[in-house]
Amino acid sequence: ETGVTQSPTHLIKTRGQQVTLRCSSQSGHNTVSWYQQALGQGPQFIFQYYREEENGRGNFPPRFSGLQFPNYSSELNVNALELDDSALYLCASRTTLLGETQYFGPGTRLLVL
Amino acid sequence: QQQVKQSPQSLIVQKGGISIINCAYENTAFDYFPWYQQFPGKGPALLIAIRPDVSEKKEGRFTISFNKSAKQFSLHIMDSQPGDSATYFCAASMRGSQGNLIFGKGTKLSVKP
Repeated sequence: ETGVTQSPTHLIKTRGQQVTLRCSSQSGHNTVSWYQQALGQGPQFIFQYYREEENGRGNFPPRFSGLQFPNYSSELNVNALELDDSALYLCASRTTLLGETQYFGPGTRLLVL
Repeated sequence: QQQVKQSPQSLIVQKGGISIINCAYENTAFDYFPWYQQFPGKGPALLIAIRPDVSEKKEGRFTISFNKSAKQFSLHIMDSQPGDSATYFCAASMRGSQGNLIFGKGTKLSVKP
């Protein structure tokens, strides 16, 4: 176990709704990244947060947004859900912005109907 | 455009055999190449990683071979065990990439007893 926790484990939403996913970083880690993993695919980078600010973003639209809190926990928010948003959402934390090793949580499985 | 190509998509190996998974990358700016192991219902876990200034790295039964000129790297699992059955992902990132790991599509390994 990496010490990175995510909640909830599973979630079902309908198209057009909004969702918030939560991540608690491993102790001492101040940098968190979020990834989307579609079924049968590798994870795709959504964005990264460092010191409560977004610090890098992948090819995802603005309806994907996030927050990082002073205790380094993090949220991923997705507005106007689409069917293609159904995926496993992973957060990964690391010690610092320059730390190479990313430690992944177990993910939140989101199903959009 | 996929920047990391992984093969094969699936692999069946007998217990005690050698499992070999290959990856090729396009961007010569990549300078960190990790392999992750993912079990069903779990997040990816770092297995082993290599930098391009080293041609081989071994940790227990796991070895990465790296060919910088060919822009290829591979994972070898010696004495494969049924407990190694999982999905394996290669990934790549570059210094200053702001947390962005580029993953391959994954290889589902089944080790038969």
